[in-house]
Amino acid sequence: KQEVTQIPAALSVPEGENLVLNCSFTDSAIYNLQWFRQDPGKGLTSLLLIQSSQREQTSGRLNASLDKSSGRSTLYIAASQPGDSATYLCAVRQGGRRALTFGSGTRLQVQP
Amino acid sequence: EAQVTQNPRYLITVTGKKLTVTCSQNMNHEYMSWYRQDPGLGLRQIYYSMNVEVTDKGDVPEGYKVSRKEKRNFPLILESPSPNQTSLYFCASSFSSAGQGGGQPQHFGDGTRLSIL
Repeated sequence: KQEVTQIPAALSVPEGENLVLNCSFTDSAIYNLQWFRQDPGKGLTSLLLIQSSQREQTSGRLNASLDKSSGRSTLYIAASQPGDSATYLCAVRQGGRRALTFGSGTRLQVQP
Repeated sequence: EAQVTQNPRYLITVTGKKLTVTCSQNMNHEYMSWYRQDPGLGLRQIYYSMNVEVTDKGDVPEGYKVSRKEKRNFPLILESPSPNQTSLYFCASSFSSAGQGGGQPQHFGDGTRLSIL
């Protein structure tokens, strides 16, 4: 059974810092990996989706990498801002299933 | 605006009183799904639908029903709610693609917080 782990569980950084969030998964036979952010009282906003054949995806200040063979993904946030404060979730999809298996998230706080 | 809309956003009810949480998407997505989010357990899939009249169980389907009579709507039905179904519920949708398909990002609603006393 697929398990997804995110480290750290919480992170507090000063504004302007570059930071890395980690996601690991136990079964490397994934179809894709998706990073979300979740704001309190809100739903999930999709940030980046990486197909299993890809190594990385970029959107603005966000860069997500995928190393499928080692079961790892990282989300790099450049020049963090207070508006980046949220919980970040990674989720993997197994081939043949549409269900996403989620990690427990990293709660990020960016201090002004 | 492309969105997934859930109603109600909040509901407090009592054990055994049937309830329905509605989900509607305006993106013409084939695939729709329900998740519940619980502290320490993360998000887990309840049911999903690949298209109209095609539904299947996810990881935690017990105590729930769904229907997909129209492409845009995917209601979640709790026939006899119990306190262990107190949770935060999310509906999601995405396009499908050929074969194993589904390499499309899933879009989520804002969530429905259910409290069952």
